[in-house]
Amino acid sequence: KNQVEQSPQSLIILEGKNCTLQCNYTVSPFSNLRWYKQDTGRGPVSLTIMTFSENTKSNGRYTATLDADTKQSSLHITASQLSDSASYICVVRLEKEAGTALIFGKGTTLSVSS
Amino acid sequence: KAGVTQTPRYLIKTRGQQVTLSCSPISGHRSVSWYQQTPGQGLQFLFEYFSETQRNKGNFPGRFSGRQFSNSRSEMNVSTLELGDSALYLCASSSGTSGRSDTQYFGPGTRLTVL
Repeated sequence: KNQVEQSPQSLIILEGKNCTLQCNYTVSPFSNLRWYKQDTGRGPVSLTIMTFSENTKSNGRYTATLDADTKQSSLHITASQLSDSASYICVVRLEKEAGTALIFGKGTTLSVSS
Repeated sequence: KAGVTQTPRYLIKTRGQQVTLSCSPISGHRSVSWYQQTPGQGLQFLFEYFSETQRNKGNFPGRFSGRQFSNSRSEMNVSTLELGDSALYLCASSSGTSGRSDTQYFGPGTRLTVL
């Protein structure tokens, strides 16, 4: 069964600290993996997209890694800011003959406090 | 460039009714995807349209349907509403032509409440 599991479910950190969010997937055939940030009351915003051959991709203070062998990905946030408080969703794109489909994790809720 | 717009933003319906949600993609984008988001299940893929054709479909009952018009605008319809259909319905647009790395841009969503 195609699944995306994220951990932890929620996380509280102090402003300025770093944190790492985890994503494990059992999706085949794999196309790419994406991380989204979703602020409360808003639609998700894409942070990174990684294909099978990419193992690291950065977007400002956000760095995503991908290990296609172990089917694991992580999102590292450096020097957190209050505006980083949001839900972070890992999404795996499934390659299908008649188009593609996305399998979503349930997200990690990050709270950054001052 | 204007972003993805969805109308209405909020909707209250009763069980058994039907509802139509609308999505206007970013200008030039030909792919529109629909998602359902609930606290318990998270985001779930409904369907994707490209150039007026349904390109892919998630695991939802036939009560959920959609269509795309020649100007790429899309509508989603849910018939015979059930309490469990209460959710945030998100629409996302992309060029549809960038293959695997096609970036999706999400709208703000329509919050549907079924009473």
